[in-house]
Formats: sequence, structure tokens, C-alpha cells
Amino acid sequence: EVQLVQSGAEVKKPGESLKISCETSGYIFTSYWIAWVRQMPGKGLEWMGSIFAGDSDTKYSPSFEGQVTMSADKSISTAYLRWRSLKASDTAMYYCARLDSSGWAKWGQGTPVTVS
Amino acid sequence: SYEVTQPPSVSVSPGQTASIACSGDTLGDNNACWFQQKPGQSPVLIIYQNYKRPSGIPERISASKSGNTATLTISGAQPVDEADYYCQTWGSSTDVIFGGGTKLTVL
Repeated sequence: EVQLVQSGAEVKKPGESLKISCETSGYIFTSYWIAWVRQMPGKGLEWMGSIFAGDSDTKYSPSFEGQVTMSADKSISTAYLRWRSLKASDTAMYYCARLDSSGWAKWGQGTPVTVS
Repeated sequence: SYEVTQPPSVSVSPGQTASIACSGDTLGDNNACWFQQKPGQSPVLIIYQNYKRPSGIPERISASKSGNTATLTISGAQPVDEADYYCQTWGSSTDVIFGGGTKLTVL
């Protein structure tokens, strides 16, 4: 069974760094793209960017380029999303999702991030 | 940058048909997907490649695309269908675009 399990809730202060994870199982990690999606409180879905786990080729949304860094560790089938310096406006739920032939069919449970 | 537009809300009575449109220039050249999201839950893919349903999605959920507009249709809407619905397509190269979301109310 394909699973994407995200790391737990985070509470941080402005200016702090953060790295959240998306641990995958049940498929060949290096054969698929993983996307990160932001959902601010009460708002819609925003694509932040995608990473191909096989070679870490990364595509960022212009809105998030330079604000976050995506990475993937093939040895443990895990994708990451990192911030160097958090802002209050980064408070949101963050989802990872896997792209397959049906589209973004498999999603993680989400990681809530609070910056205050 | 590319955008796709959905109505913020749609309301129907139980048993009626709900339709949600999603429009944008990029839809003319790209497939559409639809996601259902209920409060406190992750999005669920309910339509891919314009009209295809993943396994487990009921037949009363259907979709189509014509030109620059994709349409999600829920026939015989039930209270369990109350959720936010998002269309999704692609912009240039591999950029992913989500619509703003539509809150479906069944009452």
C-alpha cells in the first residue's frame, strides 16, 4: 500500500528555521514526483513546488521560489520541505502528494505549522 | 501567470444536481483534475484526465471539459457531498495550478 506519512505539528517563532518531512512507503520512491501544497487557515490549496525523487530535479512556484527548499533522501524514501527563516505568514497546513498516472492521487495527512 | 476560476460557493437541495465550473485559458491545452476536501481532512482526487474516476469514487460524480472550461457534476447530491471542491490543471511545463475552491452546500 502506498503511504505518505508526514511529520508532526510544529510551533515556531519568527526567524527560526524548520524542516518538515514526508516519509513514503509501498512504492519505488525514485520513480515519482512529490509536490508540496500549502493551505493557509480557511483558504485554498496552493502548489509550492515539486521534486522528482530520482534525481532531485525541482520545480518551484514563482510564489515560493527562494522562500523554501525542497529535497529528497533516496536512502530513506523521504521528501523534505525547509525554511531558513520563518514568518508569521508561513502559518498553514502543509501537504505532500505523489504524482502518478492519475494525477496527484496520494496525499499525506498534512503537517500544521504555527509561527508565532 | 496562469489562473483558473471557480465560483466560491454552490448550494443545492438534497437529490438535486450540483455543477461546478472551472475556467481558464490553460485548460484549453491541459487536462483537469478535481479534488474533494472535507474539514480537517486531506484532499481526495475524485476526477483525473478531465472525466476519469479513480476506483471507489461513486458514479454520481462526473466531469467533463470543453474548451477552456471544466465542469464537475454531482448528480443526486447528498449531505455527504458537502465539501470544498478544487479543480487543478497545469500551466507552463510542470507548474501545477489550483482553482480557488468551491464550497458545496447540500441543504
